[in-house]
Amino acid sequence: DAGITQSPRHKVTETGTPVTLRCHQTENHRYMYWYRQDPGHGLRLIHYSYGVKDTDKGEVSDGYSVSRSKTEDFLLTLESATSSQTSVYFCAISTRNSGRALGTGELFFGEGSRLTVL
Amino acid sequence: AQTVTQSQPEMSVQEAETVTLSCTYDTSESDYYLFWYKQPPSRQMILVIRQEAYKQQNATENRFSVNFQKAAKSFSLKISDSQLGDAAMYFCAYSKISSGSARQLTFGSGTQLTVLP
Repeated sequence: DAGITQSPRHKVTETGTPVTLRCHQTENHRYMYWYRQDPGHGLRLIHYSYGVKDTDKGEVSDGYSVSRSKTEDFLLTLESATSSQTSVYFCAISTRNSGRALGTGELFFGEGSRLTVL
Repeated sequence: AQTVTQSQPEMSVQEAETVTLSCTYDTSESDYYLFWYKQPPSRQMILVIRQEAYKQQNATENRFSVNFQKAAKSFSLKISDSQLGDAAMYFCAYSKISSGSARQLTFGSGTQLTVLP
């Protein structure tokens, strides 16, 4: 158990409204990630963070912003939700980050947040 | 950019039989990680098995094993003695190894495995 909690787990909202998803971790891991999962696409990286206030874009970052004001929390914001952002969103952490000597490479995932934009 | 391809959207296997899920990937890197994740109906992403590209020996975890063909860029998952609890979506994933960088996993589109009693 990597101590990852996502909230909310389910949300239904309307087009044009702002939405924020929260990822909370309890083990002070440096790297955190947001992925979205859609049928036929697997999981695709939205944004990731490599420390407090340090973030970078992933493959599908358009329409999303993130913030990390403290180590344990990584927020994903949809400023104006669209129907194309209906998806399941996963937060993840990696336990080791430097090359092979310290790392096992895999990500540990939260339980996902299902977002429906009507 | 790296790509991961799973060409079997759905597969089925009889309980206690063996099934192989296919995965191919494209990369210019010589050192990297490959993973198989399992996603049951609970939606939780569970790591099944991990392979480091520099290791020639195929990884094995109990009933799960891989056939890693580096030259062919192929990474298949074999499930032996299939159980009802193995029914899930299976994702193949790739991550390059870079010192100090984030683990940006690239996922395939998944294979839905059904286990028939």
